[in-house]
Amino acid sequence: GENVEQHPSTLSVQEGDSAVIKCTYSDSASNYFPWYKQELGKRPQLIIDIRSNVGEKKDQRIAVTLNKTAKHFSLHITETQPEDSAVYFCAAKGGSTLGRLYFGRGTQLTVWP
Amino acid sequence: GAVVSQHPSRVICKSGTSVKIECRSLDFQATTMFWYRQFPKKSLMLMATSNEGSKATYEQGVEKDKFLINHASLTLSTLTVTSAHPEDSSFYICSARQGGTFFGQGTRLTVV
Repeated sequence: GENVEQHPSTLSVQEGDSAVIKCTYSDSASNYFPWYKQELGKRPQLIIDIRSNVGEKKDQRIAVTLNKTAKHFSLHITETQPEDSAVYFCAAKGGSTLGRLYFGRGTQLTVWP
Repeated sequence: GAVVSQHPSRVICKSGTSVKIECRSLDFQATTMFWYRQFPKKSLMLMATSNEGSKATYEQGVEKDKFLINHASLTLSTLTVTSAHPEDSSFYICSARQGGTFFGQGTRLTVV
């Protein structure tokens, strides 16, 4: 099956700085890569996603890039704010059906005011 | 995005009892739902894939007789933790797909 690696596990940045979280995947048939933000005790919230036919996608301060050849994708958050502090998970949808997602281990992002 | 509702959000039960958790897709039909378990500061661990009208598919190491899954309609899947023990205490969360994958609120289960 698919294997998703995520780095770093923790990330601390100053308010206003950028944050980058990187993930790699193993299954070249994977075709969908969402990113989730999870606050303590809450459900994961989909913040952005990218499909394998696109190299980059942006939504305001959040962007995701995908390199299919290298099998890695990254989340970029610019102008970080304290409310961006949360755990972020990357995921990959494998080449099989049913829509199962394989998750990375998560990154605890802390934005200091 | 699509709405997935999970109930209850918190439950405390005694050892040996069973607990049922419901997962509903409120504004769409979901032939497939997924059940995850999440330990503190850890990632989501897929327990099983719930298929409407057929048996659930369990991940390796997950006891199907302990974690009973029923997906009787296109909008409802249930997870029953049978004969619960303190080590079953965890955060259980379901998801369903409508375009993207959306999660329920999660259920914090505490077995005392």
